[in-house]
Amino acid sequence: GAVVSQHPSWVICKSGTSVKIECRSLDFQATTMFWYRQFPKQSLMLMATSNEGSKATYEQGVEKDKFLINHASLTLSTLTVTSAHPEDSSFYICSAQAGVPTLLNEQFFGPGTRLTVL
Amino acid sequence: GQNIDQPTEMTATEGAIVQINCTYQTSGFNGLFWYQQHAGEAPTFLSYNVLDGLEEKGRFSSFLSRSKGYSYLLLKELQMKDSASYLCAVRPTDSWGKLQFGAGTQVVVTP
Repeated sequence: GAVVSQHPSWVICKSGTSVKIECRSLDFQATTMFWYRQFPKQSLMLMATSNEGSKATYEQGVEKDKFLINHASLTLSTLTVTSAHPEDSSFYICSAQAGVPTLLNEQFFGPGTRLTVL
Repeated sequence: GQNIDQPTEMTATEGAIVQINCTYQTSGFNGLFWYQQHAGEAPTFLSYNVLDGLEEKGRFSSFLSRSKGYSYLLLKELQMKDSASYLCAVRPTDSWGKLQFGAGTQVVVTP
């Protein structure tokens, strides 16, 4: 099956610093990538949809200036949490969708990044 | 708005069968997915339904009734490793590719 990687798998940072998370599709081209956030014992909340070569579309309530998303190539999208605060501590998961349209059009999920802001 | 409901937790014994129900109200429908998620890990794909009926894949089966806005995931011959959260996700027609997730059902398998 298709493989999606995320880096780093976990990160601890001080309040006020910025953190960049990378999401890569390893063996397929992903025209669309999605970024989710998941708090403990809660479900995945979609933050934004990222299409290669265009601006990301953010969900209601997600600050685009705080969560910067770049999808510069068909295999890489990055999420930068700017001026992180403790309330940003969460599990961040990306998923990638292959460019070739199929009925299933499945999203393939990365392993997630655990962010802890002190 | 979008609404996807599933039970919070279910407990079953090893070797038994468990059925996880999911009801949804979304703006259009373009498929329903079930994912398994172990604690601290990313979701893994289990099944996909877009037409009414039952899809069987080994020990896991998923059923869909579009007219009722209802799906279930059936786990047979439960194993300890099946202890996980099971997420129901719907893809509305007005949001190509985007998924709306339910809160997840935590399944606890006991010896």
